[in-house]
Amino acid sequence: KAGVTQTPRYLIKTRGQQVTLSCSPISGHRSVSWYQQTPGQGLQFLFEYFSETQRNKGNFPGRFSGRQFSNSRSEMNVSTLELGDSALYLCASSFGGSKETQYFGPGTRLLVL
Amino acid sequence: SQQGEEDPQALSIQEGENATMNCSYKTSINNLQWYRQNSGRGLVHLILIRSNEREKHSGRLRVTLDTSKKSSSLLITASRAADTASYFCATDAHQAGTALIFGKGTTLSVSS
Repeated sequence: KAGVTQTPRYLIKTRGQQVTLSCSPISGHRSVSWYQQTPGQGLQFLFEYFSETQRNKGNFPGRFSGRQFSNSRSEMNVSTLELGDSALYLCASSFGGSKETQYFGPGTRLLVL
Repeated sequence: SQQGEEDPQALSIQEGENATMNCSYKTSINNLQWYRQNSGRGLVHLILIRSNEREKHSGRLRVTLDTSKKSSSLLITASRAADTASYFCATDAHQAGTALIFGKGTTLSVSS
């Protein structure tokens, strides 16, 4: 099976802009979770989508949103970018949910200038 | 706040030596997982140990879990340069509606 893919791999944006990141899970996986990784805060859970519904949400502001399509592909959107949003954004998929073994994509590295 | 805390933060060893990393957590868990991350890339699942298990092996990996002390250890035997990576523990807390909570990781450097 193909692994989790994320696009784009690298992104440079300026403050105030918005960005959309995409994640294609492993075939058959219905759960997609998003994480933000920074040197200071480590890996922080953003949200989980399961069968097109947001099932869990981390402690992030409303500028961070996501959605999942019927084919389980997921997108994450960050509006009004701040410098502190610079991070590696990782998506992970699993068959049953965000507490099961997670299969991670390679990540999207976002730099906000 | 972080549920799991790895110790040490960084570890440097020679090829062939064993590497031990520890993880402590705060609340009751259903299971604990270990992941590896090569520099700036995605995480790879290594092993899952359930709360009713005390020890688990996978190849050169040995994981122990002590729920009374709320701690786990990951032992990598006969380390290789390719084991150079960051290692994270992730806990599945009992609370409903939460996802895996990751520690900040141990950075392992294996030199030849």
